Amino acid sequence: AQKITQTQPGMFVQEKEAVTLDCTYDTSDQSYGLFWYKQPSSGEMIFLIYQGSYDEQNATEGRYSLNFQKARKSANLVISASQLGDSAMYFCAMRANSGNTPLVFGKGTRLSVIA
Amino acid sequence: SAVISQKPSRDICQRGTSLTIQCQVDSQVTMMFWYRQQPGQSLTLIATANQGSEATYESGFVIDKFPISRPNLTFSTLTVSNMSPEDSSIYLCSVEDPRDTNEQFFGPGTRLTVL
Repeated sequence: AQKITQTQPGMFVQEKEAVTLDCTYDTSDQSYGLFWYKQPSSGEMIFLIYQGSYDEQNATEGRYSLNFQKARKSANLVISASQLGDSAMYFCAMRANSGNTPLVFGKGTRLSVIA
Repeated sequence: SAVISQKPSRDICQRGTSLTIQCQVDSQVTMMFWYRQQPGQSLTLIATANQGSEATYESGFVIDKFPISRPNLTFSTLTVSNMSPEDSSIYLCSVEDPRDTNEQFFGPGTRLTVL
């Protein structure tokens, strides 16, 4: 079984600053993937970034990067140069890479960007 | 990326009635996943739908309450039966991108309110 823990219910960040959203996970699988999603108030789930357990480099997608520390079982999301439009709920999720397995989600972190 | 549409986008229903939610994908996918997001909560997997076989339900969800159809590789429906106010949630369908299994996408969601 997999478990995702997001310990920050809410975070505030000043516009143009960087922010780190924490995510730790637990799994007995050797091969797995870690995901981050953004959910604005509209309710849609927007895929941001993916990190495979065997990837040696940290994933990056534009202003998003994933700080992957496998030994610590952490997969923190870093958002650089925050924008007001980044205000949303952010969910960390994972799944085993054993084929068509579902995502397991953390409780989420609400990020508020302040002008 | 896979493009997913859901109908209806939102609905307000009376208790005791049923609502069928449709999910359409623009490409053929093996598995489709149905999630529920109760107000202020994270996403919880309801069931996994494989074309040509019965859906696999997670603990706490039963076929009589949430019947699922999967008639082909691009379409699925989820019915919320005999609704009560506790069923008020966002219901989302999700698929792995068939061109890149490192990505998993969600439909825009169906926001259901039961009075």
